[in-house]
Amino acid sequence: AQSVTQLDSQVPVFEEAPVELRCNYSSSVSVYLFWYVQYPNQGLQLLLKYLSGSTLVKGINGFEAEFNKSQTSFHLRKPSVHISDTAEYFCAVSGVNTGFQKLVFGTGTRLLVSP
Amino acid sequence: DGGITQSPKYLFRKEGQNVTLSCEQNLNHDAMYWYRQDPGQGLRLIYYSQIVNDFQKGDIAEGYSVSREKKESFPLTVTSAQKNPTAFYLCASSQDRGNSPLHFGNGTRLTVT
Repeated sequence: AQSVTQLDSQVPVFEEAPVELRCNYSSSVSVYLFWYVQYPNQGLQLLLKYLSGSTLVKGINGFEAEFNKSQTSFHLRKPSVHISDTAEYFCAVSGVNTGFQKLVFGTGTRLLVSP
Repeated sequence: DGGITQSPKYLFRKEGQNVTLSCEQNLNHDAMYWYRQDPGQGLRLIYYSQIVNDFQKGDIAEGYSVSREKKESFPLTVTSAQKNPTAFYLCASSQDRGNSPLHFGNGTRLTVT
């Protein structure tokens, strides 16, 4: 089975500052990793995914994440945030060959960007 | 445009009543899912279906029921047996391959009083 820990429930940051949202996972098998974003009262939208290959993954809206197998982490970063990035961000993991019914989500990190 | 439609967006019911949440997709996806979202708890899987006329329980299926009579439709019924039904419910779909991302609807917020 897999599990995900998002270490910060809320991250306040000023506009144009860099940000890192932390995600650690646990799994006994190889994994696929995902970051989703949720704006208020909406569904989740895929930001980026790691399936295999390069450990640095680039996504939409200028976000990127780095897969670190030794530290079992998949932290999300953006060099300069905008007010519009205010949202909740979810890290998710599934085991390779277990299918999406086994996608496990973290509890989310609320990013608050202020002017 | 292809996507997932959940209706209604807001739903209010009295305790003891069953209520059905609608989910329709036109993405031609094989798999569909229902998640429940509560503040501070992330998303928890209620039911999922990989093929028409077949579905499996997720982590918190008690008090819920589903059907999958058509590929594009996966309605969720919240029964009176669900002890704490007030929540935000999200429907999702995907190609049934292990590395396919989930596509989500915009959710239904259910309030039971």
